[in-house]
Amino acid sequence: GAVVSQHPSRVICKSGTSVKIECRSLDFQATTMFWYRQFPKKSLMLMATSNEGSKATYEQGVEKDKFLINHASLTLSTLTVTSAHPEDSSFYICSAISGTGGLTEAFFGQGTRLTVV
Amino acid sequence: QKEVEQDPGPLSVPEGAIVSLNCTYSNSAFQYFMWYRQYSRKGPELLMYTYSSGNKEDGRFTAQVDKSSKYISLFIRDSQPSDSATYLCAMSLGYNKLIFGAGTRLAVHP
Repeated sequence: GAVVSQHPSRVICKSGTSVKIECRSLDFQATTMFWYRQFPKKSLMLMATSNEGSKATYEQGVEKDKFLINHASLTLSTLTVTSAHPEDSSFYICSAISGTGGLTEAFFGQGTRLTVV
Repeated sequence: QKEVEQDPGPLSVPEGAIVSLNCTYSNSAFQYFMWYRQYSRKGPELLMYTYSSGNKEDGRFTAQVDKSSKYISLFIRDSQPSDSATYLCAMSLGYNKLIFGAGTRLAVHP
């Protein structure tokens, strides 16, 4: 299957700082990328959907000013957690689909474990 | 009521056993049904995808959908220790938004 690379895989930051997570589609052009958040032993919760070149669509309850999403190219989307707090500590996962692909073509990154201290 | 219900387990079985994983859902409009496998600290990977009611088989895996009961299952035959992972069901109305179950942790012991 296609490869989606997410970086970093693990990050620890101080409270009040910002953290940027990158999601790259390595061998296909991703017109749509999704950002999920997963708490321990819990399901993936969709945070936002981003389409290349347009503003992200955030799910209800997700603060768009806190979780900044940029999808500037067909192979890269970034999630920036601004002014991070300990409650933002979680596992963040991106997935990407190509313009010709559907749900079965959604490939996931390996996830980023964020710990805010 | 959650849109998708899935027993988080853990489920522990001996090697070679048949494993049955299940999800129920409340939204009858869901059209696509998927099963993902997620190893610890990794992203999910798609295992099976079904669209209509009935069974779909792929090697040791069989996905079953019963739309009338709003119930889906994943069966794993001849389970192996390498099958130990969290299995997530996911559903969609068809416009790319996936709704995931909580995931069932499976441990297959030798």
